[in-house]
Amino acid sequence: QSVLTQPPSISAAPGQAVTISCSGSRSNIGYTSVSWYQQFPGKAPKLLIYDNNKRLSGTPDRFSASKSVTSATLDITGLQTEDEADYYCGTWDNSLSAGVFGGGTKLTVL
Amino acid sequence: QITLKESGPTLVEPSQTLTLTCTFSGFSLTTTGVGVAWIRQPPGKALEWLGLIYWSDVKHYSPSLRNRLNIMKDTSKNLVVLRLTDMDPLDTATYFCAHSLGFWSGSFYFDHSGQGALVTVSS
Repeated sequence: QSVLTQPPSISAAPGQAVTISCSGSRSNIGYTSVSWYQQFPGKAPKLLIYDNNKRLSGTPDRFSASKSVTSATLDITGLQTEDEADYYCGTWDNSLSAGVFGGGTKLTVL
Repeated sequence: QITLKESGPTLVEPSQTLTLTCTFSGFSLTTTGVGVAWIRQPPGKALEWLGLIYWSDVKHYSPSLRNRLNIMKDTSKNLVVLRLTDMDPLDTATYFCAHSLGFWSGSFYFDHSGQGALVTVSS
């Protein structure tokens, strides 16, 4: 059971937009900033966004993210087939004194 | 250019101790604010944060593994070692080491990781 809650799966057609949610609590998302990762099968996860909404160099501007109180969202616009992957949110939990991840969301681009 | 690579056994027997080494380049673990984290992923499952060692030698561990996990660094050799005792089949996973940031914002994220090392626990 992950500390951060994400929907297990989401799907949309190419060109559409999706929003992936990440729900936490005051001790994690409510305490500090959130990061987002993309992972393809058999590959290491790759950082997309850190500090809630800062895109890593090389992250397409189709990817954006935000945070509000104890939840965060990752928005992907103009979906492309190559966006089909697993997406994870992550942050620090001040009560646990540990990093935490969401359970991951599998994005299918139909 | 930052690179990290995990190395160690691919097969561990139950109750044994797993020792994995993360060898890195392109950064120094003496730089203020820098850390190396260990993350694992059981087959078909989500990422799990295991632990983190900072440049200052401060360490943080997942509460669920705190009594089994130890992370050490050797800054002269640019490596970090993970030791996980009393291995169980449920510890079967791909283990990643990662260049960790976020210290100054009180958060955690990683911008580079190794390719991962699959460790199977079985007799």
